[in-house]
Amino acid sequence: GQNIDQPTEMTATEGAIVQINCTYQTSGFNGLFWYQQHAGEAPTFLSYNVLDGLEEKGRFSSFLSRSKGYSYLLLKELQMKDSASYLCAVRDNQGGKLIFGQGTELSVKP
Amino acid sequence: DTAVSQTPKYLVTQMGNDKSIKCEQNLGHDTMYWYKQDSKKFLKIMFSYNNKELIINETVPNRFSPKSPDKAHLNLHINSLELGDSAVYFCASSPRPQGHQPQHFGDGTRLSIL
Repeated sequence: GQNIDQPTEMTATEGAIVQINCTYQTSGFNGLFWYQQHAGEAPTFLSYNVLDGLEEKGRFSSFLSRSKGYSYLLLKELQMKDSASYLCAVRDNQGGKLIFGQGTELSVKP
Repeated sequence: DTAVSQTPKYLVTQMGNDKSIKCEQNLGHDTMYWYKQDSKKFLKIMFSYNNKELIINETVPNRFSPKSPDKAHLNLHINSLELGDSAVYFCASSPRPQGHQPQHFGDGTRLSIL
């Protein structure tokens, strides 16, 4: 079966650091993506991991452990505009389809 | 310039009607996708085309029929609309099915069935 789990909601304070976890069990694995989605808008790409380890991109970092079926997205120096839904997605071996988690709704408070 | 554009943005119609949603990408990508996002914001793949050829066809009612006239376009036709079809439908594209490059999403079509 295909299963991707992430927390439904998180709250953090402006200027702080937040870590959003994602665990997955999928029949195939060809990379893990993180997307950001503001309400009423399209998902936009944040990061990609296919090998174990940390990928850093400005205020955003993403980590992958394939043996543990685990990833996290780390957001530093949180800003109000970071309030959004964060989607973890695993790319399957079949046709490149993305299997999405339910998304984590992050609220950043002043 | 919009990379992946969908029309219409909003679609309100009655149960039993037939409707189409259009998608175009100007990124020169070979692969296009349709996703459905339900009220719980869960995004689920429906179809994918690579170079106009169907490569993914998830368990979707056959009332849904995708058509790709060329690499830059992927349309979705829905027959006999049902209440459960109410959702946001996203089109996406990527250079190819695999590789490190991400899928780019359109702004979505909000379909409401009365």
